[in-house]
Amino acid sequence: KAGVTQTPRYLIKTRGQQVTLSCSPISGHRSVSWYQQTPGQGLQFLFEYFSETQRNKGNFPGRFSGRQFSNSRSEMNVSTLELGDSALYLCASSVERREPPYGYTFGSGTRLTVV
Amino acid sequence: DAKTTQPNSMESNEEEPVHLPCNHSTISGTDYIHWYRQLPSQGPEYVIHGLTSNVNNRMASLAIAEDRKSSTLILHRATLRDAAVYYCILRAPAGGTSYGKLTFGQGTILTVHP
Repeated sequence: KAGVTQTPRYLIKTRGQQVTLSCSPISGHRSVSWYQQTPGQGLQFLFEYFSETQRNKGNFPGRFSGRQFSNSRSEMNVSTLELGDSALYLCASSVERREPPYGYTFGSGTRLTVV
Repeated sequence: DAKTTQPNSMESNEEEPVHLPCNHSTISGTDYIHWYRQLPSQGPEYVIHGLTSNVNNRMASLAIAEDRKSSTLILHRATLRDAAVYYCILRAPAGGTSYGKLTFGQGTILTVHP
């Protein structure tokens, strides 16, 4: 079965531009979450969506936003890019089941470089 | 969110067992203990999770202390492919405000020697 697909794999943008990253979860997974990974801060939670609704949000500025579509695919957008936004952006999906909570399946990420 | 504490790094020899410890003294009674690992140039990979009882799966075993303040991930026979960063994470139960959020610490870098 196909895993979590993130596109594009690599991206180079200029400061001030905006960027949209895409994530296709595993078929049947309705929960999608996003993480930012940098050498200095490690893995940090951005937001989580379930059934097109944002259920959780991390401590990031409003320049970071996301959405989820009815087919569970998700996008995240970063506006007015800063050099510090250079990072690996990871998407994860999960079957929604109350107890016990399932593990998340992560994609390979999108490597964003801001120059 | 409750915190976990792990050693920064550990080393092992190939085909030997590896015990990766995690302390979580502020765990709540309903938090699940999850382990993920991240191989170089890949996203994190789910390994195992448990609540109170020890758990086994094809990848590893999870031993949970009786008071739940610590746990140990056990790789029974380390291989070179097990070299990764291992993260111990506490996950809130469904319905909690942080249910869908994983809080990663710095993890333990496991080096496996041939």
